[in-house]
Amino acid sequence: EPEVTQTPSHQVTQMGQEVILRCVPISNHLYFYWYRQILGQKVEFLVSFYNNEISEKSEIFDDQFSVERPDGSNFTLKIRSTKLEDSAMYFCASRPLNEQYFGPGTRLTVT
Amino acid sequence: GENVEQHPSTLSVQEGDSAVIKCTYSDSASNYFPWYKQELGKRPQLIIDIRSNVGEKKDQRIAVTLNKTAKHFSLHITETQPEDSAVYFCASYMNRDDKIIFGKGTRLHILP
Repeated sequence: EPEVTQTPSHQVTQMGQEVILRCVPISNHLYFYWYRQILGQKVEFLVSFYNNEISEKSEIFDDQFSVERPDGSNFTLKIRSTKLEDSAMYFCASRPLNEQYFGPGTRLTVT
Repeated sequence: GENVEQHPSTLSVQEGDSAVIKCTYSDSASNYFPWYKQELGKRPQLIIDIRSNVGEKKDQRIAVTLNKTAKHFSLHITETQPEDSAVYFCASYMNRDDKIIFGKGTRLHILP
């Protein structure tokens, strides 16, 4: 069964550095998402993406965040200048209809 | 915006007994309600979902009910087993906003 994949599984970075989190959605899906989960808390929506543009974003998704679909398979989340509070698990998801399929996540640790 | 409340935050159930987790949502435009199970360090896994035109759905030991008028929906797990121990999240979705709003989660412990 096809799955959403994410790389890396764990990223450690210093405060102020830029990070790029990578996702490969399921191939016939058209809608893509990023969520984050701070340790021990709920999953929070960041952004949705369809037809090569952002369709919805949350208040968390400020100017330091950006998303891109650089080719036909990858979907990336860039954090320009990381802060300590960006430390979290970041999940990518994709969907054909209603059901969203989640990737395994990237644990981002900002030191 | 949409808000999803979930309770209890922690639930301990004897193995073999039933567990019930309850959620409420605020926006009547929400039309899809998935439930996710998350084991420690893993991704959320969809276990069951229900659409707003249905009142109840069952899949083996798991069932979900939806009361649109009251904006309540619940997860029922019967004959609980040790492998049911996990964090369960309810969520709501509406086409208008194209995003899933999660509840805060229920940590379910199945006691031997």
